[in-house]
Amino acid sequence: AQSVTQLGSHVSVSEGALVLLRCNYSSSVPPYLFWYVQYPNQGLQLLLKYTSAATLVKGINGFEAEFKKSETSFHLTKPSAHMSDAAEYFCAVSDGSNTGKLIFGQGTTLQVKP
Amino acid sequence: DTEVTQTPKHLVMGMTNKKSLKCEQHMGHRAMYWYKQKAKKPPELMFVYSYEKLSINESVPSRFSPECPNSSLLNLHLHALQPEDSALYLCASSDPSGRVIYNEQFFGPGTRLTVL
Repeated sequence: AQSVTQLGSHVSVSEGALVLLRCNYSSSVPPYLFWYVQYPNQGLQLLLKYTSAATLVKGINGFEAEFKKSETSFHLTKPSAHMSDAAEYFCAVSDGSNTGKLIFGQGTTLQVKP
Repeated sequence: DTEVTQTPKHLVMGMTNKKSLKCEQHMGHRAMYWYKQKAKKPPELMFVYSYEKLSINESVPSRFSPECPNSSLLNLHLHALQPEDSALYLCASSDPSGRVIYNEQFFGPGTRLTVL
């Protein structure tokens, strides 16, 4: 069965600093992985997805993630944090069925300090 | 149009009321989803419709009744809810054609439901 673990429920960085949000997965099949962002009182917006085409995936708003099979990880990074990046971030893995069901991690709240 | 819309944005209802949430998409997606989300938690899947047929019901209480009238619309009918049902209800859609497991879900902005 597929599962996702996000390490750190709360991450705080200074504006301009590196953002690193950690995600580890468990999957019995080749995983399809996603990072979503949720701003307060809004729905989820897709940042990027891994579908086995390339291990380094670039997404919107300057975010990228690297798939590392040996470490079963899919960490999200951004070189320089902006105040507008403050939000809740969810890592998710497809359950591998034809329903497209997603298994979500518990989420990481990113705080950006001026 | 790459948008999923949801109405209403906010809803306050009593435990004896009947109300409905509406979700609409015009991306030609044939899979639609209802999620419930509590504060600071990930979305919890409630229902999945695939090609207008209910394909997943995650043991949701019968006071929640989904309906998919056509490929663009998804409703969630609410009746005799409890205060613990207060949450953000999110709708999403995805394209189940072809290699479905690649396909990301597009989420609407949600309906904030408060049950008094």
